[in-house]
Amino acid sequence: AQSVTQPDIHITVSEGASLELRCNYSYGATPYLFWYVQSPGQGLQLLLKYFSGDTLVQGIKGFEAEFKRSQSSFNLRKPSVHWSDAAEYFCAVDLSGYSTLTFGKGTMLLVSP
Amino acid sequence: ETGVTQTPRHLVMGMTNKKSLKCEQHLGHNAMYWYKQSAKKPLELMFVYSLEERVENNSVPSRFSPECPNSSHLFLHLHTLQPEDSALYLCASSQDLGSRSYNEQFFGPGTRLTVL
Repeated sequence: AQSVTQPDIHITVSEGASLELRCNYSYGATPYLFWYVQSPGQGLQLLLKYFSGDTLVQGIKGFEAEFKRSQSSFNLRKPSVHWSDAAEYFCAVDLSGYSTLTFGKGTMLLVSP
Repeated sequence: ETGVTQTPRHLVMGMTNKKSLKCEQHLGHNAMYWYKQSAKKPLELMFVYSLEERVENNSVPSRFSPECPNSSHLFLHLHTLQPEDSALYLCASSQDLGSRSYNEQFFGPGTRLTVL
C-alpha cells in the first residue's frame, strides 16, 4: 500500500534560519504531491503542489519544494523562517489523480526567537 | 476565508447521544469530503461525495452516517460513538473529482469532537 513518511515529528528553528521539512512516499509511479499547513484551530491550507514538469515548485508564503524521483522525496524548504510559520505541516500524495489524498503524520514546526 | 465552514466548532457528547456535524461550502464545488484527524495519526479520509452521491466509504463504522442533500452541504450524523472517536473532523470540497485537470481540495476549520 502507498504511504507517506514525514520522519520528523517536531522541528525547532530559530527565526530567520532556513528550514527543510522532509517527506518521502512509497509508490512506483510519480504521484501528485502536496504540502499543506495547519495553524492551531484552523483547517488545512495548501502551500504548494507538484504534478509534472519543473521539479522545483514555488508556493505561497515563500515556501518551495523539490521533487526528487530517485529518492521518492518531496521536501519543503524556506530560506528564512518567520515566527508566523509556526504550525503543523503535512505532506500528502494522490496516486490516482482522483482527488483522494493520503497524508503523512505531520511535522510540528516551532520557531524560537 | 476558506469558503468552507463547519459547525459546531466544538462538540462534547456522551456515548448514547445523537448529534450531527455540518459542513457548508460557498465555492460552487461539486465534490465534498469528510476526514478524521486523530492525535499522532495521519488524516484519514472517511467519505467522498460527488454531485451528492457517495463515491467512497473508507471502511468507516456505521455509527458515522454521512448525508449530502445538495452540493453545498454535507452532514455527518453521529450515534453511539466511542471515546476513541474523539478527534478533529475536517470537511473539504473540490471543484470535481479527478478529470482532465486536477482539483485542489479546500478545507474547513474542523469540528473538535470529544466523546465522554
